[in-house]
Amino acid sequence: TQLLEQSPQFLSIQEGENLTVYCNSSSVFSSLQWYRQEPGEGPVLLVTVVTGGEVKKLKRLTFQFGDARKDSSLHITAAQPGDTGLYLCAATYNQGGKLIFGQGTELSVKP
Amino acid sequence: NAGVTQTPKFRVLKTGQSMTLLCAQDMNHEYMYWYRQDPGMGLRLIHYSVGEGTTAKGEVPDGYNVSRLKKQNFLLGLESAAPSQTSVYFCASSYAPGTVQETQYFGPGTRLLVL
Repeated sequence: TQLLEQSPQFLSIQEGENLTVYCNSSSVFSSLQWYRQEPGEGPVLLVTVVTGGEVKKLKRLTFQFGDARKDSSLHITAAQPGDTGLYLCAATYNQGGKLIFGQGTELSVKP
Repeated sequence: NAGVTQTPKFRVLKTGQSMTLLCAQDMNHEYMYWYRQDPGMGLRLIHYSVGEGTTAKGEVPDGYNVSRLKKQNFLLGLESAAPSQTSVYFCASSYAPGTVQETQYFGPGTRLLVL
């Protein structure tokens, strides 16, 4: 059974600080996705990474896929209150496989 | 386009009661999914459908049934609700299923409280 673990589970920071969220797996991914979920809404896809060592940037967000395809990280630079939400990583482990979600990281950015 | 919609938004049930959650999508997606979200546990797949008239079990299917009579609708049923089914339920649909380009589009969720 594949297990996807995120850390930290909770993060409370001040506006302007940097942060990193980690997603680790017991098995090699086929692909890894990051979602953001705001209170009262469903998750929204931010990015998909598929190649070991891949780095993608989305404004102040940087997503990295580990070389061994068993880990990923999300780095936010100069966090803003609008970044507040639940960040979820989700992985597929084989072609045609279903998404397995991590437990999420609850981020709170205080002004 | 409305995307993925869910009804109802919130419901309170007594133990043993039944109910049906409705999911509708207007994006002509083949795949549809039902998840439940509980604190500290992320999203867990209940059932999914790869097309009209087909359904399959996910990670936590016990106590739930589903139907996909029309391509745009995916229904989740609870025949005899239990307090352990208190959760937030999300429906999702996707194109390019099973590929690395797959994107799942989620509805706004249904909050269910079973007393």
